[in-house]
Amino acid sequence: GAVVSQHPSRVICKSGTSVKIECRSLDFQATTMFWYRQFPKQSLMLMATSNEGSKATYEQGVEKDKFLINHASLTLSTLTVTSAHPEDSSFYICSAFRGAGLSYNEQFFGPGTRLTVL
Amino acid sequence: GDSVTQMEGPVTLSEEAFLTINCTYTATGYPSLFWYVQYPGEGLQLLLKATKADDKGSNKGFEATYRKETTSFHLEKGSVQVSDSAVYFCALGEGGGADGLTFGKGTHLIIQP
Repeated sequence: GAVVSQHPSRVICKSGTSVKIECRSLDFQATTMFWYRQFPKQSLMLMATSNEGSKATYEQGVEKDKFLINHASLTLSTLTVTSAHPEDSSFYICSAFRGAGLSYNEQFFGPGTRLTVL
Repeated sequence: GDSVTQMEGPVTLSEEAFLTINCTYTATGYPSLFWYVQYPGEGLQLLLKATKADDKGSNKGFEATYRKETTSFHLEKGSVQVSDSAVYFCALGEGGGADGLTFGKGTHLIIQP
């Protein structure tokens, strides 16, 4: 159990277009989901924290109008990269938190989405 | 702000060798510490964690001890196997994992038969 999926796994788009990435918790409900970004040979950097039914909280330096996050249900969060440019090319990873109150609380990570902007 | 430093890879070992991957951290509070492992094509999986000083996390023969005095959480395994080849990430988080995590850069471990 505790599987998190991401779709698509890989996307290539033209500069100026918008791209939506989905993150789903397949067998549990996640009140909180996180979005990370990873550059080659770098660590994962937290972009934003998303709570179901409320606005996302963005880390310093992350443009909220550029990276739109929606967490409309307890099993789905989406990240939309608006007007993507080559510098947005990166590996985007989500995680879902299965929280306190259960016997096991932990962040479960998706496999990531590779975005390439031409 | 919080930060995590771990040894750069790749680290190449022979099967049955002893493994140590160093990890040190800086944090303003009293974070929980984690080791995650990422196998090719898969998402990060929690390997072990420790929530307070002197706690030892262990799983699958790996272990790490939360050392507040040296701000370290080194990962060790007595005898590695080829199947342990993966990328290992050290991370810290406030709130026991309920908050966003701060990661190290990851260490690529290669075990040769």
